[in-house]
Amino acid sequence: GAGVSQSPSNKVTEKGKDVELRCDPISGHTALYWYRQSLGQGLEFLIYFQGNSAPDKSGLPSDRFSAERTGGSVSTLTIQRTQQEDSAVYLCASSFVTGDGYTFGSGTRLTVV
Amino acid sequence: AQRVTQPEKLLSVFKGAPVELKCNYSYSGSPELFWYVQYSRQRLQLLLRHISRESIKGFTADLNKGETSFHLKKPFAQEEDSAMYYCALSRTGTASKLTFGTGTRLQVTL
Repeated sequence: GAGVSQSPSNKVTEKGKDVELRCDPISGHTALYWYRQSLGQGLEFLIYFQGNSAPDKSGLPSDRFSAERTGGSVSTLTIQRTQQEDSAVYLCASSFVTGDGYTFGSGTRLTVV
Repeated sequence: AQRVTQPEKLLSVFKGAPVELKCNYSYSGSPELFWYVQYSRQRLQLLLRHISRESIKGFTADLNKGETSFHLKKPFAQEEDSAMYYCALSRTGTASKLTFGTGTRLQVTL
């Protein structure tokens, strides 16, 4: 596609429920990243996929968070048993293997009530 | 560990005044530095990267390895420059995660 596409754009969920956030990267981009943007916290790295290599999960805040990338393209970030502190904007980005063309999606705003 | 510090949460300047958004970093290897900008209701986008050594929308940034800084400058601020600015760092040469600062909101007033 022309850009990085994320869905849904907004998600309101009840505390304790599971949510899935989707990211469709730019075609040809082998690297895919998830970040979390919270008010006053800047952008927090969550997880990074590069081709067929094992993902860098070092930023995932707890074992309630997981992500997968199927077929080297679309990625899904799953948050289990959501908590209020999970409320944030979740951003996805993709890039070429060289790191050039790092492009962000418009994000999913998650609100846990 | 890599770290990016943006000491100012908010920078308010008058239109036509010079702008300097501060960014300091710590990184043990060879870093690549970036500035990203997020205008109101728009997605985060790349403004410039140090290896390009280019000026975008009148903004420049010079990497100072001695001071470990990458401050963003513009000689004359415009209203349309009002936005959130993030400094970011990654490893050089290959795709890797970006480490972001907490951002500085630039407010340009008449």
